[in-house]
Amino acid sequence: QKEVEQNSGPLSVPEGAIASLNCTYSDRGSQSFFWYRQYSGKSPELIMFIYSNGDKEDGRFTAQLNKASQYVSLLIRDSQPSDSATYLCAPTGFQKLVFGTGTRLLVSP
Amino acid sequence: DVKVTQSSRYLVKRTGEKVFLECVQDMDHENMFWYRQDPGLGLRLIYFSYDVKMKEKGDIPEGYSVSREKKERFSLILESASTNQTSMYLCASSLWLASYEQYFGPGTRLTVT
Repeated sequence: QKEVEQNSGPLSVPEGAIASLNCTYSDRGSQSFFWYRQYSGKSPELIMFIYSNGDKEDGRFTAQLNKASQYVSLLIRDSQPSDSATYLCAPTGFQKLVFGTGTRLLVSP
Repeated sequence: DVKVTQSSRYLVKRTGEKVFLECVQDMDHENMFWYRQDPGLGLRLIYFSYDVKMKEKGDIPEGYSVSREKKERFSLILESASTNQTSMYLCASSLWLASYEQYFGPGTRLTVT
């Protein structure tokens, strides 16, 4: 079992829709969870993090965490073509972040 | 804003050459990291450093070494480059613990022929 599982996609949504990106992780000791966005040919950029169970909202982005189910998700409301990118989930491990391979999101106009 | 810079965006080297990749951060971060990113394999940690002259192996340290002589600079060294080290190399830094949020440089696309 991989430490971090993400559907590679692509996840295709129309402009204005809600995009839902999911991530499961195996380390029950993970305390913090980070979401990075990576445009093609660019480096990852941090867009959100969450520490506590429940929801955390930041603009059009909502991160959801359920530690009992070892599940974290990222919702993007009112998706825009500029949101088209690969989204990486990264729970904390011992002394490091553990990155998933990412979900590719395509938002069509 | 955190700024992490890497010495080259693109690099082409021959098999057997010694290769140096440089990374500099300007935010006085304690921790610095080197990753490689390959299609289908995601980001894999090569080495990290939590202080000057300190280093820790990551998940794939074989064939690599690192140097951190100054807090702001972290170098990745390929002692004898091989074709399977062709990859995108990403440097990152974080303020405190290694598990804190990390900020990435623009990456170096290394091709070994």
